[in-house]
Amino acid sequence: KQEVTQIPAALSVPEGENLVLNCSFTDSAIYNLQWFRQDPGKGLTSLLLIQSSQREQTSGRLNASLDKSSGRSTLYIAASQPGDSATYLCAVTRGSTLGRLYFGRGTQLTVWP
Amino acid sequence: DGGITQSPKYLFRKEGQNVTLSCEQNLNHDAMYWYRQDPGQGLRLIYYSQIVNDFQKGDIAEGYSVSREKKESFPLTVTSAQKNPTAFYLCASRRLAGVAETQYFGPGTRLLVL
Repeated sequence: KQEVTQIPAALSVPEGENLVLNCSFTDSAIYNLQWFRQDPGKGLTSLLLIQSSQREQTSGRLNASLDKSSGRSTLYIAASQPGDSATYLCAVTRGSTLGRLYFGRGTQLTVWP
Repeated sequence: DGGITQSPKYLFRKEGQNVTLSCEQNLNHDAMYWYRQDPGQGLRLIYYSQIVNDFQKGDIAEGYSVSREKKESFPLTVTSAQKNPTAFYLCASRRLAGVAETQYFGPGTRLLVL
């Protein structure tokens, strides 16, 4: 069974810091890995998707890397802003086109001015 | 605007009552999913469906039922057999074109027990 772990569970930093969020998964037979953002009481918004054949993806101040062999991914947030405050969830997909996602518990990020 | 709608935003269930959560999408996606989220927990899969009139159990299907009579609709019923239904329920959909397709999520329904 696929287990996804995220470290740290919570993070509080001042504005402007560069951040690293970590995600690990137990079964390296994944098709892709995704990072989502969730604001309190809201649904999820996809941030980045890395296919299993890729090493990283970038979108603006966000960069996600994937090391499938070691079962790890990191989400790097550059120059953090208060608007980045949210919970960040990592999820992996196993199986072909079924698209099942296995989620970690998330990292709750607070960026203070 | 294309997207996923869930209703109601809040739902209250009495003891022994069945309640139904609505999920509708106008993205023309083939696959739809229901997840449950408890405080401090990741999302757990309840049911999913790839095509009309077909669906599969996820990891925590006991006490829940679904139907997929139309491509755009995937309602979830929380039955009286679900003894701890208080949670945030999220519906998602996805194209089945390939491994690079992401899931799109609705805004969620919060279910509370009276």
